[in-house]
Amino acid sequence: EVQLVETGGGLVQPGRSLKLSCVASGFTFNNYWMSWTRQAPGKGLEWVASITNSGGSTYYPDSVKGRFTISRDNAQNTLYLQMNSLRSEDTATYYCTRAHFDYWGQGVMVTVSS
Amino acid sequence: EIVLTQSPTTMAASPGEKVTLNCLASSSVSYMNWYQQKSGASPKLWIYGTSNLASGVPNRFSGSGSGTSYSLTISSMEAEDVATYYCLQLSSYPLTFGSGTKLEIK
Repeated sequence: EVQLVETGGGLVQPGRSLKLSCVASGFTFNNYWMSWTRQAPGKGLEWVASITNSGGSTYYPDSVKGRFTISRDNAQNTLYLQMNSLRSEDTATYYCTRAHFDYWGQGVMVTVSS
Repeated sequence: EIVLTQSPTTMAASPGEKVTLNCLASSSVSYMNWYQQKSGASPKLWIYGTSNLASGVPNRFSGSGSGTSYSLTISSMEAEDVATYYCLQLSSYPLTFGSGTKLEIK
């Protein structure tokens, strides 16, 4: 059974940093691209970042480019999202997703507020 | 950026009624994925590659479309179908979701 478990969320002040983790199980992690997607409270879904299976290439929308970094440790079956210079508009539930968004984690809440 | 416009934004259907949800892309895409999200839960892949049902999806659901126009159809609405449905294009970066259609039951 595919499982994606996110951790690392919480309350953080504007301008500060936070790092999310996602531990994957039930599939061969290093065979799949991975992504992060977020959902602001009461709002729709927004793609945040993607990474190739080797980690050699990454992709971001303009809204987070230069502030967020996606990475992975294939030996530990773990996906990361380093979030710097956080803004109030980054407040959302962050989901770890596999490949073409076929499996989603339960999500982790990030609140950016002073 | 490819903008996906979903319509209607909200709709209510009676049990047994046929339902069609639409997703219009601002530029042509190769295919569309659809996701079902129930209140308080993570989204689930519902339809992939325009017309393929994900595992466990009832066959009253179907997907169709090409180019810039895609749709999700429920042949006969059931109470368990109450959810918000999102379309997603994976043809070009940035990847984009539609704003969702909230489906309710009368």
